[in-house]
Amino acid sequence: QQQVKQSPQSLIVQKGGISIINCAYENTAFDYFPWYQQFPGKGPALLIAIRPDVSEKKEGRFTISFNKSAKQFSLHIMDSQPGDSATYFCAARYNQGGKLIFGQGTELSVKP
Amino acid sequence: DAMVIQNPRYQVTQFGKPVTLSCSQTLNHNVMYWYQQKSSQAPKLLFHYYDKDFNNEADTPDNFQSRRPNTSFCFLDIRSPGLGDAAMYLCATSRSLAGSNKKLFFGSGTQLSVL
Repeated sequence: QQQVKQSPQSLIVQKGGISIINCAYENTAFDYFPWYQQFPGKGPALLIAIRPDVSEKKEGRFTISFNKSAKQFSLHIMDSQPGDSATYFCAARYNQGGKLIFGQGTELSVKP
Repeated sequence: DAMVIQNPRYQVTQFGKPVTLSCSQTLNHNVMYWYQQKSSQAPKLLFHYYDKDFNNEADTPDNFQSRRPNTSFCFLDIRSPGLGDAAMYLCATSRSLAGSNKKLFFGSGTQLSVL
């Protein structure tokens, strides 16, 4: 059973557009929700993260929106650039033990 | 400077031939993790060490073992690699398992091919 569901699987956005990736979770024992960016042949790199007591967090062009009641969170990439083309993983971390559960990933392609 | 270093970057082994992947960290973190990531899939946790305490995931095959001789180093041993074990293996660290120190730092991974 997939504990963190991510969509879409792939996304194509024009340069300057907004990229939106959505995730949903089921387990209320998660207390930390990071997003990772992964380029081909590289390990995931932490992009931005949020705790469930916050509804939104913004860092530069990247924003996480968090809806605790709906158990959903999303990543918005404003003014998307070709250099943002990568695979993005949402994740959720158990408050005990620290295990990180990843979503299935979204392959983002930003066209010039 | 790289903080979580994995060697080698690419590893080719033969079916059934034992292979060891290595990871070192300069962060002095307590926790070290090994993830397996197959093509176009999410990373999957195999096991982790909290200091010297080993924690195996329930669905990690016995074929996968790990050693952590000291704080800085952790090894992944695959005793008899099968074709299905071809994947990217990611090492990660975190300062702790709880509170504000859960942030994971990943290495660049070792891409394992099994011939």
